[in-house]
Amino acid sequence: DAGVIQSPRHEVTEMGQEVTLRCKPISGHNSLFWYRQTMMRGLELLIYFNNNVPIDDSGMPEDRFSAKMPNASFSTLKIQPSEPRDSAVYFCASSFIQGGTEAFFGQGTRLTVV
Amino acid sequence: RKEVEQDPGPFNVPEGATVAFNCTYSNSASQSFFWYRQDCRKEPKLLMSVYSSGNEDGRFTAQLNRASQYISLLIRDSKLSDSATYLCVVNDIGTYKYIFGTGTRLKVLA
Repeated sequence: DAGVIQSPRHEVTEMGQEVTLRCKPISGHNSLFWYRQTMMRGLELLIYFNNNVPIDDSGMPEDRFSAKMPNASFSTLKIQPSEPRDSAVYFCASSFIQGGTEAFFGQGTRLTVV
Repeated sequence: RKEVEQDPGPFNVPEGATVAFNCTYSNSASQSFFWYRQDCRKEPKLLMSVYSSGNEDGRFTAQLNRASQYISLLIRDSKLSDSATYLCVVNDIGTYKYIFGTGTRLKVLA
């Protein structure tokens, strides 16, 4: 398996633009997580899905952020409009939730909003 | 109080030293525990799971103390390649969330 695949790897955009981050989880995994990492706040859980259903989005910072998982093999995280403070590395992770197995991470998307 | 707390370090140790990290968690219902390693500008990767009875993998030993709600990681005979950030992770079986500590930075010096 190729692991969790995220795209793009890097994104530079202007303030006010819409940004869409993409994630393909590991085949067979039933849970997907979106994290944001900054130096100041570390790894923050934004939202997670179980069997394609959003379970907890309490970590989403504000209404500018939205996430979808239309099927078991694809998820998006959208920021509209983007702001400079959204600059961070965004990670997607997937796991098979049964008996406390580990989560596997994608390589992340480094987002810079100027 | 943060759900998972770690000393951010950095821990600067000489090659061959033994170093230990601790991590505390606030949710007593947490069921699964892990240590992840993150290299600079890379994604976190699983180092080892932490079992109630404690477990060892080569130079690495993980311990869990449920009564005091803390997890530890011991690294023996440190190598230069052990330099990284070590993240403590707690998973609550009920909510399925993986909650990460902010990480402890380790630098092994030649």
